[in-house]
Order: sequence, then structure tokens, then C-alpha cells
Amino acid sequence: QKEVEQNSGPLSVPEGAIASLNCTYSDRVSQSFFWYRQYSGKSPELIMSIYSNGDKEDGRFTAQLNKASQYVSLLIRDSQPSDSATYLCAVNDAGGYQKVTFGTGTKLQVIP
Amino acid sequence: GAGVSQSPSNKVTEKGKDVELRCDPISGHTALYWYRQSLGQGLEFLIYFQGNSAPDKSGLPSDRFSAERTGGSVSTLTIQRTQQEDSAVYLCASMSGNPPYEQYFGPGTRLTVT
Repeated sequence: QKEVEQNSGPLSVPEGAIASLNCTYSDRVSQSFFWYRQYSGKSPELIMSIYSNGDKEDGRFTAQLNKASQYVSLLIRDSQPSDSATYLCAVNDAGGYQKVTFGTGTKLQVIP
Repeated sequence: GAGVSQSPSNKVTEKGKDVELRCDPISGHTALYWYRQSLGQGLEFLIYFQGNSAPDKSGLPSDRFSAERTGGSVSTLTIQRTQQEDSAVYLCASMSGNPPYEQYFGPGTRLTVT
């Protein structure tokens, strides 16, 4: 069974610091990787997707993928209190069967 | 453009009643998913539709749950003889059949069974 593992947290960082969120996955054939942000009482919102090994940057967010280690991470630079949310890692094998497996999420708290 | 929409946003029902939850995916998206999220918990996969293929129903928790997708677009999730443990937020998501295969969620339906 495909698994996606995340530390549940909470991860507490001071405002302005870098928040580092990590995710490991079990299925080596996984091809597409996503980070979602979910505020309390809201639905998940896609913030980053990554498909190739290395880093992908979008504003204050950087996704990092290492397929050999089956590891994907999300860095949030200059963390703001508004970044406080649960971050979900998701993995898709993209093999024509687009079932997405989600981790249980890491709760991030940015302390002013 | 318009995102995924769901209705109703909130539903309160009595134990034993049937409920129908509706999802309108993003236009042109061929894949549609239903998830359930209980308070403070992660996403629980329920069912997945992809084009004209047979749906993946492997996540449905019991035979009281069923879903259909008409015309490859709108989907309805039906829960028969609701139980209190069915209380949760039901989320629908859709995905394009072409890269980058990104999944987008609707706002959810909060179901409360009294």
C-alpha cells in the first residue's frame, strides 16, 4: 500500500524564520508531488507542485524533491503568522491512474 | 475560471435519513475524487472517477455509501441510513486528464448527523 509520511507537528517557528516541512513516500514509481495548505475549517489549497529532482521556487516557497531518497520537502522563507496552517504532502503515480495519496499533514505555527 | 463547487455547504440530518451531496468539477477535468475529513483528521479517500473508466470505489467505508458521475461531469455522493459517525466534511476534487495533473478542491460539505 502506498504511504506518505509526515510529522504531525506542531512545528513552531518565529516570524521571519525559515520553516522546513518534510515528507517521505513509499512508492518508487511516484512521479508527481504536491504541497497543499489547509487553514482550519477550509479545504486544501494547492501551493506547489514538483516533478523533477531538485528545487522549485515560487515566491517565498521552495519545494525540494529527491526521488532516490523518496523525500520531498517544502521550505517557507520569511515565515508569516498567515502561514500558520496544516501543510499536506500529496503524491501521484501519474501512470495514467491518477489516484493521489495524501499524508496526514504537518501543523505549522508561526509565532509573531 | 470557475473552480470546483459543492452543495450544500452545510447539511444537518437525522440519523437514519439519506443524504445527497453534489460536486461540480472544473470544466474539462476528467478526474473527480471524493474525500472525507473528520474533525482534526487527515483526508480519507472515498472514490475516484476517471473519464469513462469504472470508478475506484476502494475507499467507500460501507455499502451505505455510493456515488455516481453523470455525463462525465457532475457527481453525487449518496449516504443511505446516515449514522452519527458519518458526520464529517466531505470534499470533492477534480483534476485535468493532461499534465500537470494538479488536483483542485471544492469548499466541502459539512455533514452533521444528529
